[in-house]
Amino acid sequence: AQSVTQLGSHVSVSEGALVLLRCNYSSSVPPYLFWYVQYPNQGLQLLLKYTSAATLVKGINGFEAEFKKSETSFHLTKPSAHMSDAAEYFCAVTFNTNAGKSTFGDGTTLTVKP
Amino acid sequence: DAGVTQSPTHLIKTRGQHVTLRCSPISGHKSVSWYQQVLGQGPQFIFQYYEKEERGRGNFPDRFSARQFPNYSSELNVNALLLGDSALYLCASSLEGLAIDEQFFGPGTRLTVL
Repeated sequence: AQSVTQLGSHVSVSEGALVLLRCNYSSSVPPYLFWYVQYPNQGLQLLLKYTSAATLVKGINGFEAEFKKSETSFHLTKPSAHMSDAAEYFCAVTFNTNAGKSTFGDGTTLTVKP
Repeated sequence: DAGVTQSPTHLIKTRGQHVTLRCSPISGHKSVSWYQQVLGQGPQFIFQYYEKEERGRGNFPDRFSARQFPNYSSELNVNALLLGDSALYLCASSLEGLAIDEQFFGPGTRLTVL
C-alpha cells in the first residue's frame, strides 16, 4: 500500500537557520510528490511538486525539495527561515493508478524563533 | 480569478443530523475532490469527481455521499452525523483530476458535531 511518513511532528528553528522537513513515501509505482503549506484556519497551498522532470524541485518562498528514489524520500528545505514560514507543512503523494487521490502525511508544524 | 470557494465556513450540528457542504471550483477546472482533516492529522481523501462522475472513493462509510453538477460545483453530504465527523472538510479542484495535476484547495468548512 502507498503511504507517506513525515518524520517529526514538530520542528523548531531559529530565524535565519536552515529548515529541513522530512518526508518518506512507500509505493510500488512511480509517485508524484507534493509539499503543501497550511496556515491557521486556511486551506492548503502548494509549495512545490515533483513530476519526474527533475529530481531537485524549486518552489515558492525559497523552498526546494530533492527526490531521492534510492531513499524513497522527498525532504523539504529552505536555507534561511523567516518568521512568516511558521505554519504546518504536509507532504503528499499521488499515483497514476489512483488518479487525483492524494495521500497525505500527518504534517509537520514548523516554529520559527526570533 | 476567484479561487476555490466553500460554504458554509462553519457549521454546528448535533448527532444524527444531516449536513450538506458546498464547493465551487476554479473556473475551467473539471475535477473536484473532498478531504476530511481531523485536528492534528493530514487530510484524508473522501471522494473525487470528474465530469460529474465519481472517479474515486476513500475509506469512508456510506453515510458520506457527494455529487458534481453540470457547472462542476459539488456537494458533500453526510448523514447520521457522529461526534467523530467533527473536522475541517476541504474541497480541492484541478483541471483534469489527473495524478500529476496541481490541486487547489478551498479554505474549508469547519464542522462541529455536538
